Amino acid sequence: AQKVTQAQTEISVVEKEDVTLDCVYETRDTTYYLFWYKQPPSGELVFLIRRNSFDEQNEISGRYSWNFQKSTSSFNFTITASQVVDSAVYFCALSENGNQGGKLIFGQGTELSVKP
Amino acid sequence: EPEVTQTPSHQVTQMGQEVILRCVPISNHLYFYWYRQILGQKVEFLVSFYNNEISEKSEIFDDQFSVERPDGSNFTLKIRSTKLEDSAMYFCASRTGGAIGEQFFGPGTRLTVL
Repeated sequence: AQKVTQAQTEISVVEKEDVTLDCVYETRDTTYYLFWYKQPPSGELVFLIRRNSFDEQNEISGRYSWNFQKSTSSFNFTITASQVVDSAVYFCALSENGNQGGKLIFGQGTELSVKP
Repeated sequence: EPEVTQTPSHQVTQMGQEVILRCVPISNHLYFYWYRQILGQKVEFLVSFYNNEISEKSEIFDDQFSVERPDGSNFTLKIRSTKLEDSAMYFCASRTGGAIGEQFFGPGTRLTVL
C-alpha cells in the first residue's frame, strides 16, 4: 500500500535558523516519484520539487535542499537560513509509476512557522 | 506562464443541492485531476481523468460525484446532492503526458455546504 508520513505536525523556528522537514514513504513499486509542495496561507499549492526513484542525488536550489534516501524510504527537505516568507504548510507526496493515472498521495503536511 | 484556473473561488450551497465546480487546465496537458482538502487536513485524491475517461477514482468519489470534459477546455466536477461533509477546498490539477511529472494546481474552490 502506498503511504506518506510526515510525523512533524508543526515546527516553529526563529528567522535564520535551519529547519528540516521529514518525509517517510511506503510503496511496493520499484519506480515511483516523490514531490514536495508548499501551501502558503493564501491556500494555493506550489510545486517545489520532483524526484524519481532512480535518482538519489541530493538537490539544492537556493536555500532549499532535499535528501533522498531509498534505504530509509525518506525524502527530507531542509530550508537553510529560514525566512518569515517560508511560513507555510509543506506537503510531501508520492506517485507510483504502476498507477498510470499518476495520482498524488499526500502526507499530512508540516506547518512551518518562522518567527522574526 | 500558463496556469490552471478554477471558478468560482467560493461556493456556498444548501445541503442536498447540486454544485458544479469548474476548471480550465493548461491547454496542452493530458491528465486532469480533482483533489479535496478539508480545512486543516491533508490533500486527498478524488479522481484522475485521461483520454476522456476516468482512469482512477478514490473511495471518496462515490455515485454523488461525476466529472466531465465537455468542450476540450473545461473540466468539471459535479456533486449531485451535497452533504455537510462535502465542505472543503477542491483543487483541480493537470499535467502533461509521458512520465509522471509535476501536477499544476489551480487556486481551488472553497465549497461551503450549509
